Amino acid sequence: SQTIHQWPATLVQPVGSPLSLECTVEGTSNPNLYWYRQAAGRGLQLLFYSVGIGQISSEVPQNLSASRPQDRQFILSSKKLLLSDSGFYLCAWSGGLAGGNEQFFGPGTRLTVL
Amino acid sequence: KQEVTQIPAALSVPEGENLVLNCSFTDSAIYNLQWFRQDPGKGLTSLLLIQSSQREQTSGRLNASLDKSSGRSTLYIAASQPGDSATYLCAVNQAGTALIFGKGTTLSVSS
Repeated sequence: SQTIHQWPATLVQPVGSPLSLECTVEGTSNPNLYWYRQAAGRGLQLLFYSVGIGQISSEVPQNLSASRPQDRQFILSSKKLLLSDSGFYLCAWSGGLAGGNEQFFGPGTRLTVL
Repeated sequence: KQEVTQIPAALSVPEGENLVLNCSFTDSAIYNLQWFRQDPGKGLTSLLLIQSSQREQTSGRLNASLDKSSGRSTLYIAASQPGDSATYLCAVNQAGTALIFGKGTTLSVSS
């Protein structure tokens, strides 16, 4: 069966510090991978998605970047965090190639920027 | 631009009641629609996926319907239990990749 991992579970960082959140998927190959952010009062918003290694699409301009160095690894980064980057970050995967498949979410990372 | 709306934002019911959560979307050109459950501080658990060609899906006490032409979906929960208390999110997949979410309905079931 497939599982999705995210770490760390919680993170408190000062403004201006760097960020690296990691997501890995087990039990599947060539998944589509997604980063979403859930901010208070704003609902879930897609940040990035990837259909393959090194292929990253961004949905909104922001202070963050994403990378996919391996087939089942997706990393969310920032060089300098802003207060507005605080939120709950969720990684998700779906079956690749055929679009519109069911998406499965990880446990999330709670980021607080002070 | 696709917009997803969920009504009501919050709902409180006594244990045993049947209930309906509503989801509406503005653009009927969707691939599928997914219902999720989110417990406080946790990730999302997928409950049901309805493809655009389907009218409903059932899983246990849950039944989700889809009327694509009118831009509506409902999640029916039968014989509600305190363990059903959570936030329920509706999301549409329009472009074959990203999900567009509603803001959710927070359900509280009292014993």
